[in-house]
Amino acid sequence: EIVLTQSPGTLSLSPGERATLSCRASQSVSSSYLAWYQQKPGQAPRLLIYGASSRATGIPDRFSGSGSGTDFTLTISRLEPEDFAVYYCQQYGSSPHITFGPGTKVDIK
Amino acid sequence: QVQLVQSGAEVKKPGASVKVSCKASGYTFTGYYMHWVRQAPGQGLEWMGWINPNSGGTNYAQKFQGRVTMTRDTSISTAYMELSRLRSDDTAVYYCARPYSSSRSGWYFDLWGRGTLVTVSS
Repeated sequence: EIVLTQSPGTLSLSPGERATLSCRASQSVSSSYLAWYQQKPGQAPRLLIYGASSRATGIPDRFSGSGSGTDFTLTISRLEPEDFAVYYCQQYGSSPHITFGPGTKVDIK
Repeated sequence: QVQLVQSGAEVKKPGASVKVSCKASGYTFTGYYMHWVRQAPGQGLEWMGWINPNSGGTNYAQKFQGRVTMTRDTSISTAYMELSRLRSDDTAVYYCARPYSSSRSGWYFDLWGRGTLVTVSS
């Protein structure tokens, strides 16, 4: 089973700042089958990025994903007030199972 | 409207079973696998397994093997997740989630139910 580790656990930033979130896999994620989700309290997760770097429908271009192999990054170029949330990575390259990372909370400094 | 509508909150005693439903609408139910993901209070997302609504085939995360059963009723486009021998640490919100496509390359989730809170307490 591929284990995902996210860092930092919490990121304290101000609106307008850049956020860089890391997701590291215990083994290579095949074909960059890595997705990112945003979750706000009381809501289901929302898909942001799939295939490591492709934005989902309707996701603003301030969100970008990069990486391959075992190291992946989600970048939010300029934080908007609505971006303060918890972010999860998910790998789907390890058939037939799926794993999520533990999450990174982005909160207001 | 493409959506997944889940059943309401449940309160169960330890040792009991719970069955959560997820009704799909707005798309071809048998055309997409259905996955189940849970989230304990204040914790992260935990994948439980999937069912292929077309064949009824299933695959479960090792942690839940022997305790979880995923089924479906194609006549009403509904998937079910039943968890038995409940413990207090099974208290969580249980989500059904549909992947973008049935091929491995599309196993990221673009459609989620709102979640069903299952509370296990004596």
